Parts: sequence; C-alpha cells; structure tokens
Amino acid sequence: NAGVTQTPKFQVLKTGQSMTLQCAQDMNHEYMSWYRQDPGMGLRLIHYSVGAGITDQGEVPNGYNVSRSTTEDFPLRLLSAAPSQTSVYFCASSEQGGETQYFGPGTRLLVL
Amino acid sequence: RKEVEQDPGPFNVPEGATVAFNCTYSNSASQSFFWYRQDCRKEPKLLMSVYSSGNEDGRFTAQLNRASQYISLLIRDSKLSDSATYLCVVNKGWGKLQFGAGTQVVVTP
Repeated sequence: NAGVTQTPKFQVLKTGQSMTLQCAQDMNHEYMSWYRQDPGMGLRLIHYSVGAGITDQGEVPNGYNVSRSTTEDFPLRLLSAAPSQTSVYFCASSEQGGETQYFGPGTRLLVL
Repeated sequence: RKEVEQDPGPFNVPEGATVAFNCTYSNSASQSFFWYRQDCRKEPKLLMSVYSSGNEDGRFTAQLNRASQYISLLIRDSKLSDSATYLCVVNKGWGKLQFGAGTQVVVTP
C-alpha cells in the first residue's frame, strides 16, 4: 500500500494562476480531507468529503474547490492563486472520519 | 480565543527525563481527542488517542479532564527520537478535526 500520496511536492505559482493539487489513497477510505498548515496556526480544514460525490466546506474554504468523483482521488483546485495561499497543504484520509487520519507527505506551495 | 490552545514551547528535555504538557479546548461538546506527532517538514502521524480514563502506550501517558477541558501528554524516559512537535487534536464530530498549533519538544543528550 502506498497510503496517501500527494503531487506535486513543491510548486511556485504567480498571483492569479490556477492549479490542482492531487491527492490519492489506496486504502479504500470513505473520508478524505484537505488541510493547510501555516506557522503558529496549526492545521486548518479547507474541504472534506465523506464519500464519492459528497463534499463540504471546512474552516477556510474560500479560494479553493474540490470534487470527489472516485473513492481514491480528492483533488484540490486553486482557482486564482493569491500570496495568502502560500502554505503547506496536507491531504488526509480515514475510514470513518472520526478516528485515525492518515496524512500524505504534503505539498509546499509558494505564491509570488 | 483559539479552539485548541497549546504552549508552543520549546520544551528542552535532557535525555532520560520526563516532560509533560497540556492542551486546552473550548468546545465542551468535543467528542474525542488525540495526540499527533509531527517531525520537521513531515506529515502528522497519530501518536495516541486520549480516553476519559486516561491511557498509556509505552513511555507515553495521555489524560483527559473534561471538567476543566484539557488533555495532557507525559513522556517518560525521553529519547532523542522523541524530539518533534506534538499536536493536540479535538474531534468536533463528523470527522471535523481541530488542531492545536503544536508543542515543540527538544530532547538533548
């Protein structure tokens, strides 16, 4: 099992560009989520999904879109990148959502 | 006020010593609690769940005090490999996890 994988590992964008952060898991987990981690603030939930076709907003959803067409994949789209979106992004999955969450290795994003 | 608050540290601990730190949470309806460990520039990994009766996993002991709304983590016989940031995590329900900003522990030889 690869667990949770994320691509790319690093990305530099210019303000206004769009991009998609990829996340995939091979554990057949129903629950997947996206977090961002900024210094001194802890991880903050962006969007989450409780199963294919179902997504919902977390604490900081503005500027991001998600979709869940399959159990395995949960991409995060930045529509028009802003410097405030410079952060480390983690994708996570779990069986039910309430217990152990397995995190991907993260994507480090710099928006200039 | 943050929903989950932690002392950022760092807690500098001699190898072999004991270190303990707390985390407070503001939502009394929180359902379950966890400690995650995060190494520098790596993803968080579950260290242990925290149960109402308190629980132990080797050198690690976690306690929950619902009345005062805090959880604690104690590390005995600290190892150099225990150096990390420890994240306090509260499950608000439906898998919505609230993370603290973390407590840094540095174990020195």
